[in-house]
Amino acid sequence: NAGVTQTPKFQVLKTGQSMTLQCAQDMNHEYMSWYRQDPGMGLRLIHYSVGAGITDQGEVPNGYNVSRSTTEDFPLRLLSAAPSQTSVYFCASSYSRGPRIPIFGPGTRLTVT
Amino acid sequence: KQEVTQIPAALSVPEGENLVLNCSFTDSAIYNLQWFRQDPGKGLTSLLLIQSSQREQTSGRLNASLDKSSGRSTLYIAASQPGDSATYLCAVEVGANSKLTFGKGITLSVRP
Repeated sequence: NAGVTQTPKFQVLKTGQSMTLQCAQDMNHEYMSWYRQDPGMGLRLIHYSVGAGITDQGEVPNGYNVSRSTTEDFPLRLLSAAPSQTSVYFCASSYSRGPRIPIFGPGTRLTVT
Repeated sequence: KQEVTQIPAALSVPEGENLVLNCSFTDSAIYNLQWFRQDPGKGLTSLLLIQSSQREQTSGRLNASLDKSSGRSTLYIAASQPGDSATYLCAVEVGANSKLTFGKGITLSVRP
C-alpha cells in the first residue's frame, strides 16, 4: 500500500495562474478531505468527499474546486491563484465506518508570488 | 461553531519527565476526538482516537482522556524522550462525516 500520495511536493505559482494538486489513495477509503495549514492557524478544512461523485464545502472553500470521479483520486484545483493561498496543503482519507482514523498525505507546499 | 484550543503553544521539558498536553473544545456534541503527531515538514500521524462514548485510550507511553461534559481532553506522555519532540494536534469530529476541526497544536521539545 502506498497510502495517501500527493503531488507535487513543492510548487511556486504566479498570481492568477491555475493548477491542480493531486491526491490519490489505494486503501479503498470512502472519505477524502483537503486541508490547508497556515502558521498560527492550524489545519482548516477546504473541501471533503464522502464517496465518488459526492463533494461538499468545508470551512475555507473559496478559490478552490474539487471533483471525485473515482474512489481513489481527489484533486484540488486552484482557479486563479492568490498570495493568500500560499500554504501547505494536506489530503487525508478514511473509511466511512469504524473508528475512522484518517491517513494523511505528506503535503504540498505552495507559494504564490 | 466548534472551536478547539490548545494551550500553551510550545512546551520544553527535560528527558524523562511525565507530561500532560491539554485540549479544550466548545461544543460537546462530538463524534470522536483524536490526537495527532506532526514532525517538521511532514504530514500528520494519528496517535489515539477516543470515541464519544469512551473516556480514555492508551497506546504504549501515551494515554488520552476525554471529558465531553467539560469539553476537555488530555494527552499524557510518560517518561518523555527526545524522540517525542514534535507538534501534537488535537481534533474533534462533529457528525459522522469525517470533518475534523483542529486545534493549533502544541510544539513539544524534550531536552536530552
